[in-house]
Amino acid sequence: AQKVTQAQTEISVVEKEDVTLDCVYETRDTTYYLFWYKQPPSGELVFLIRRNSFDEQNEISGRYSWNFQKSTSSFNFTITASQVVDSAVYFCALSEGTSGTYKYIFGTGTRLKVLA
Amino acid sequence: SQTIHQWPATLVQPVGSPLSLECTVEGTSNPNLYWYRQAAGRGLQLLFYSVGIGQISSEVPQNLSASRPQDRQFILSSKKLLLSDSGFYLCAWSKRGWGAGVSLDTQYFGPGTRLTVL
Repeated sequence: AQKVTQAQTEISVVEKEDVTLDCVYETRDTTYYLFWYKQPPSGELVFLIRRNSFDEQNEISGRYSWNFQKSTSSFNFTITASQVVDSAVYFCALSEGTSGTYKYIFGTGTRLKVLA
Repeated sequence: SQTIHQWPATLVQPVGSPLSLECTVEGTSNPNLYWYRQAAGRGLQLLFYSVGIGQISSEVPQNLSASRPQDRQFILSSKKLLLSDSGFYLCAWSKRGWGAGVSLDTQYFGPGTRLTVL
């Protein structure tokens, strides 16, 4: 069965600290996509990144970086020099390809609190 | 560019009353559409998805129903609300993929509707 685990329920850091949000997934498919979304207090989910299962290159976008490791079925998200505006709930999601599904399996989310 | 709208933004309804939440997408055609529910402090649960007008698939048995009367309009309804229907309802769209409505592309979410059933 497909599953996404975000074991960290809540993380608190002080501004300018680096923080890593963990995401571990389970799937039997060889073709799949992984996503990260940010949910600020307003509630809307904001798309951050999409990664396919054939591309294990890490990605950096400004202060954000993602580490995809198929060997450990993990897709971790690091925020460098965190800011108060990064405070939000972050969701990791899995979408599979070959099984014909089109839906996401979401993790339960990690609430990040960045303190000034 | 594409935009997705949901209304109302907030709704307080008594138990047993009907419900209608609306979602519309602009700037794209033939999207896949999705309804999710997020209970307080919880993750997202997919309720319904649609790959075309009049085509609705339900993910979990529940007190809700969905309809897609137009290509870019997706409606979530209930005849009689329950307390357990309270939550944050999110609509999302994605580009149509290949095959029988398979969509692997990114889902983009609307602003959500916060429903409280008293």
